[in-house]
Amino acid sequence: DGGITQSPKYLFRKEGQNVTLSCEQNLNHDAMYWYRQDPGQGLRLIYYSQIVNDFQKGDIAEGYSVSREKKESFPLTVTSAQKNPTAFYLCASIGGLAGGQGTGELFFGEGSRLTVL
Amino acid sequence: AQSVTQLGSHVSVSEGALVLLRCNYSSSVPPYLFWYVQYPNQGLQLLLKYTTGATLVKGINGFEAEFKKSETSFHLTKPSAHMSDAAEYFCAANAGNNRKLIWGLGTSLAVNP
Repeated sequence: DGGITQSPKYLFRKEGQNVTLSCEQNLNHDAMYWYRQDPGQGLRLIYYSQIVNDFQKGDIAEGYSVSREKKESFPLTVTSAQKNPTAFYLCASIGGLAGGQGTGELFFGEGSRLTVL
Repeated sequence: AQSVTQLGSHVSVSEGALVLLRCNYSSSVPPYLFWYVQYPNQGLQLLLKYTTGATLVKGINGFEAEFKKSETSFHLTKPSAHMSDAAEYFCAANAGNNRKLIWGLGTSLAVNP
């Protein structure tokens, strides 16, 4: 079945360590997104990529980095510069032509919960 | 600037009662509108969406929503709540061509027996 796979589901990190969250999709979607979710704050956009080898900062990109070397993959690195990294992270994608005017319907992975000890 | 407002961060209903979750948007052009549901520690799942055409949209699990341009609203309803409807619900809008959704802060729905 087509979908988005995020791993790991749960991750614990010590302060000062970088961690990378994996996001893989087999939907043949062009655009991919990373969101951070905190209680009561909804979804906040970290980074997004509309095409391979290109990505843009979202609203809260500081302390995060991404790469988009393959259409199927959009990993997110939470660096030690992120001061409050404990959160639920969601990866999503949209189909259609890159840059086209789609409806904006997002397909989500199951999420990764990062806890800093 | 575009925005999405969900009225009520927490809503509680009795099993079998009407569910009404409110969503208002601010946009200079009619947007595409979405409702998503999220169960604990899971991703978001699309309930329904409005793009063009019929303003009353039916979704999964018996939910529906009506786009009212004059009221800039897209409220979500279900005639009879079920215990399994307890979840977080998010309203979102896309009024541009950059394929970035604008999100409401979510409404947590509790269903009491």
